[in-house]
Amino acid sequence: KAGVTQTPRYLIKTRGQQVTLSCSPISGHRSVSWYQQTPGQGLQFLFEYFSETQRNKGNFPGRFSGRQFSNSRSEMNVSTLELGDSALYLCASSTARQGLAYEQYFGPGTRLTVT
Amino acid sequence: QKEVEQNSGPLSVPEGAIASLNCTYSDRGSQSFFWYRQYSGKSPELIMSIYSNGDKEDGRFTAQLNKASQYVSLLIRDSQPSDSATYLCAVTPRKNFVFGPGTRLSVLP
Repeated sequence: KAGVTQTPRYLIKTRGQQVTLSCSPISGHRSVSWYQQTPGQGLQFLFEYFSETQRNKGNFPGRFSGRQFSNSRSEMNVSTLELGDSALYLCASSTARQGLAYEQYFGPGTRLTVT
Repeated sequence: QKEVEQNSGPLSVPEGAIASLNCTYSDRGSQSFFWYRQYSGKSPELIMSIYSNGDKEDGRFTAQLNKASQYVSLLIRDSQPSDSATYLCAVTPRKNFVFGPGTRLSVLP
């Protein structure tokens, strides 16, 4: 079974621009979560989508948004990029049903650099 | 108090020894616990999940959970240099995953 895929793998953007990252989960997985990983803050939860609905949200500003499509593929968008948004953005998929937390499997990540 | 705490390390063990990694968490409502391994420049890779008190073994790895004391640990037997990585503990206090800062493990040949 194919793993989680993320595109693009690397991205360089300028402050003030916006960016869209894409994630395709493992076949059959309906939950997709997004994380930001930086050396200083570690791995931080952004949001989770399940069946096209945002189920959980982390403590990030509204510039960070996401969505999920009917085929479970997900996108996250960051508007008005800041230097501090430079990070590894990870997507993870899971079979999690409502109210339960199951194993999450991570994609390779998108390395975003904001200059 | 942070939600999930781990010793940052580095934890150095000789090849063939047992490596013991510990994690404590603050939310007693957490029900699911996970250990991930992350090599430098790579994404986290799931090693173990544990949901009930006690031990769970998978090959050279054993996860131990004690909900009363709010800690979960990972033992790696017969440590190999290829086990050198950062180990992340994840807890689910509100059904979403909260990760600890990770412990860097170095297995010395």
